[in-house]
Amino acid sequence: AQSVTQLDSHVSVSEGTPVLLRCNYSSSYSPSLFWYVQHPNKGLQLLLKYTSAATLVKGINGFEAEFKKSETSFHLTKPSAHMSDAAEYFCVVRQLLSNFGNEKLTFGTGTRLTIIP
Amino acid sequence: DGGITQSPKYLFRKEGQNVTLSCEQNLNHDAMYWYRQDPGQGLRLIYYSQIVNDFQKGDIAEGYSVSREKKESFPLTVTSAQKNPTAFYLCASSLPQGTYTEAFFGQGTRLTVV
Repeated sequence: AQSVTQLDSHVSVSEGTPVLLRCNYSSSYSPSLFWYVQHPNKGLQLLLKYTSAATLVKGINGFEAEFKKSETSFHLTKPSAHMSDAAEYFCVVRQLLSNFGNEKLTFGTGTRLTIIP
Repeated sequence: DGGITQSPKYLFRKEGQNVTLSCEQNLNHDAMYWYRQDPGQGLRLIYYSQIVNDFQKGDIAEGYSVSREKKESFPLTVTSAQKNPTAFYLCASSLPQGTYTEAFFGQGTRLTVV
């Protein structure tokens, strides 16, 4: 079975300081991993994705994430937080469940990022 | 521009009523999904469809029904059997299974029971 654990339900950082949102996953097969951002009452927007190419993935708005298989982690980082980064962030794993092509998206419970002026 | 359109944005339902949430996509995606979002619980899969005229139950299908008569459309009906329907509902679509690409999301429908 696959699962995703976002280690912090809420993270607060000051504007201009680094952001770290943590995500650990468990998966029986080689997964694809995604980070999405959601602003209030909006849909989810893709920030970045890992699909077995480079382990360091760069996304939109200055975010990046590193896939570490040995640690089963896919943490999201940004060097300098901006007020517009305040939102909910979801770590997602997409995994093939069998050789028949069945697959599933599993979502973490989300991390709310607050930016302090 | 291609995308996913959900309507309405806000919906109010009386006890015992069925309501239908619309989801339309022009991305030419085969796969479509419905998720329910509650505070602190992430997104939970209600139903998904990999191809026209076929759909599968997700993790929380009880009290919901769907149809997939056209590739572009995947409406969700919240029936009176769903005891706690107040939530934010998100529709998504993606390329076929096995392609390891991302899902694209609509802007959501907030359903409230009054």
